[in-house]
Amino acid sequence: DAGITQSPRHKVTETGTPVTLRCHQTENHRYMYWYRQDPGHGLRLIHYSYGVKDTDKGEVSDGYSVSRSKTEDFLLTLESATSSQTSVYFCATNSEASGSSSYNEQFFGPGTRLTVL
Amino acid sequence: AQSVSQHNHHVILSEAASLELGCNYSYGGTVNLFWYVQYPGQHLQLLLKYFSGDPLVKGIKGFEAEFIKSKFSFNLRKPSVQWSDTAEYFCAVKRGGSYIPTFGRGTSLIVHP
Repeated sequence: DAGITQSPRHKVTETGTPVTLRCHQTENHRYMYWYRQDPGHGLRLIHYSYGVKDTDKGEVSDGYSVSRSKTEDFLLTLESATSSQTSVYFCATNSEASGSSSYNEQFFGPGTRLTVL
Repeated sequence: AQSVSQHNHHVILSEAASLELGCNYSYGGTVNLFWYVQYPGQHLQLLLKYFSGDPLVKGIKGFEAEFIKSKFSFNLRKPSVQWSDTAEYFCAVKRGGSYIPTFGRGTSLIVHP
């Protein structure tokens, strides 16, 4: 598995507070992603990044922002958390090494379980 | 926008039964296809993938999938499931050359011993 860590792994917060989730990778992958996983919805893309300072929105980006100041770190911020943002958040990276057996494969972090009260 | 449909949302089997999970996608061009598995409490990991060549792809743990271009399908199969296959299974599709996948909603598989 690619070296992807997420912090925190669990967080409980209150409505209206800002929350930042961190994803850290050691594989030097250019692409990084944030997903949320909810029952009945599968995985939904929030934001992704294709390089330092290069980010774009996914299908459920409202209420979320991201930043990527270094290749290895991708931060997800909930500006003002709401109960609808209670979810499990997964970070992922993508291998672009065309000669590798893992080419264009996504690697996932362990997830962060966020509860907004 | 492309979409991915997994028709079976919940599947319950007994050990040694055969498994087939359906996956259909809507994009008509070149695609890269993936099946991921998520064991209880864990993150997603790759089972198998198809880019080109032989449409029958073999993955880890005895799983295989067949790409049928005319049906826009990439169904996952296993001839004999085990209790340890209890997990959630996700199909994902990328347009050729893209690094942005579209995931299906997942299929929850429960295997009774």
